[in-house]
Amino acid sequence: EDQVTQSPEALRLQEGESSSLNCSYTVSGLRGLFWYRQDPGKGPEFLFTLYSAGEEKEKERLKATLTKKESFLHITAPKPEDSATYLCAVQTYSGAGSYQLTFGKGTKLSVIP
Amino acid sequence: EPEVTQTPSHQVTQMGQEVILRCVPISNHLYFYWYRQILGQKVEFLVSFYNNEISEKSEIFDDQFSVERPDGSNFTLKIRSTKLEDSAMYFCASSVEAKLFFGSGTQLSVL
Repeated sequence: EDQVTQSPEALRLQEGESSSLNCSYTVSGLRGLFWYRQDPGKGPEFLFTLYSAGEEKEKERLKATLTKKESFLHITAPKPEDSATYLCAVQTYSGAGSYQLTFGKGTKLSVIP
Repeated sequence: EPEVTQTPSHQVTQMGQEVILRCVPISNHLYFYWYRQILGQKVEFLVSFYNNEISEKSEIFDDQFSVERPDGSNFTLKIRSTKLEDSAMYFCASSVEAKLFFGSGTQLSVL
């Protein structure tokens, strides 16, 4: 069974205080690893897809990296508007007609001004 | 920017009643999904739909659930006889291939 574990569950940062979120996974046949942002009462919003170990993607203050067993989401000099729950999800090879994702529980990030 | 649209945003129903949740996926997308998120828990896969048929479903998606694409634009999730434990946020998603785009969800409350 595919498993995705995110840590920490919650993280409070001062504005400008950089940190990293972790996503460890156990899957048979990783097709891709996804990071989403979720605001309260909203659906997941796509951030990044990573496909192979060593790959990195960046978007504004966020940088995602991937190894064979885990992924990190680095947040550099965060701002209050970065406050959200960050979800990690894995996509595996499940046959034709589906690209379904298995999500972790998320890390709730709060950035204090 | 194109987006996945879900209606209604909130639905309250009595236990045992049927509900239909509606979604309009992004127009050129080929794959459609339903997920749910119980308060405080992870987003869980329910079902995927491709080429007018179910391509994959989870253990949660039992005989009480069904999906339909009645026309070229809508994608629906029906729960035949709701239970208290069906209370959750239900998300529709669509994709061309690997990248899924999610709607804002329907909050279903079963009383």
